[in-house]
Amino acid sequence: GDSVTQMEGPVTLSEEAFLTINCTYTATGYPSLFWYVQYPGEGLQLLLKATKADDKGSNKGFEATYRKETTSFHLEKGSVQVSDSAVYFCALRATAGRRALTFGSGTRLQVQP
Amino acid sequence: NAGVTQTPKFQVLKTGQSMTLQCAQDMNHEYMSWYRQDPGMGLRLIHYSVGAGITDQGEVPNGYNVSRSTTEDFPLRLLSAAPSQTSVYFCASMTGNTIYFGEGSWLTVV
Repeated sequence: GDSVTQMEGPVTLSEEAFLTINCTYTATGYPSLFWYVQYPGEGLQLLLKATKADDKGSNKGFEATYRKETTSFHLEKGSVQVSDSAVYFCALRATAGRRALTFGSGTRLQVQP
Repeated sequence: NAGVTQTPKFQVLKTGQSMTLQCAQDMNHEYMSWYRQDPGMGLRLIHYSVGAGITDQGEVPNGYNVSRSTTEDFPLRLLSAAPSQTSVYFCASMTGNTIYFGEGSWLTVV
């Protein structure tokens, strides 16, 4: 079945550091890929998405590129801020069948001033 | 999270009690789903519905029932609560590739 694997956290960075959170997936066909962010005590918010190979999703300085050849969708940001501290979830949505989201286990990011 | 409303936000249950988590959306979406979130495990799909009168099981359906009598509402019922059902529950509705989550319901079973 479909699955998403994320790097384990927590990831601790200093403000203005470069961020990479790795995400790889297993799925048949060409799923849509997503990054969600969850701030403490809140629900999930869509951060960015990509629906086909080589698409780049971007939002609030975060970027991720859909790499079909490596089945990856790594999240990057050039300069993190304390306000970026949250849990980040990679997810995919299959193009057929159940069509629900399949989530990775989440990566906690802590940004220190 | 505009458009998907979950209640209650917090609930404490005793083992064996039953309860219903409510979910409503006002966007006329056909697809709705329930997830549970547990530490280190991401979100896992409990049940989903592709339209009124149609429901199906997700990854972890045991101990939960759902119904979909209207497009707007998709309640999740815990039949006999167990400590293993202590979790955060999220309802979601979807159109195309856009998914809207509710704010979550924190459930503790003691």
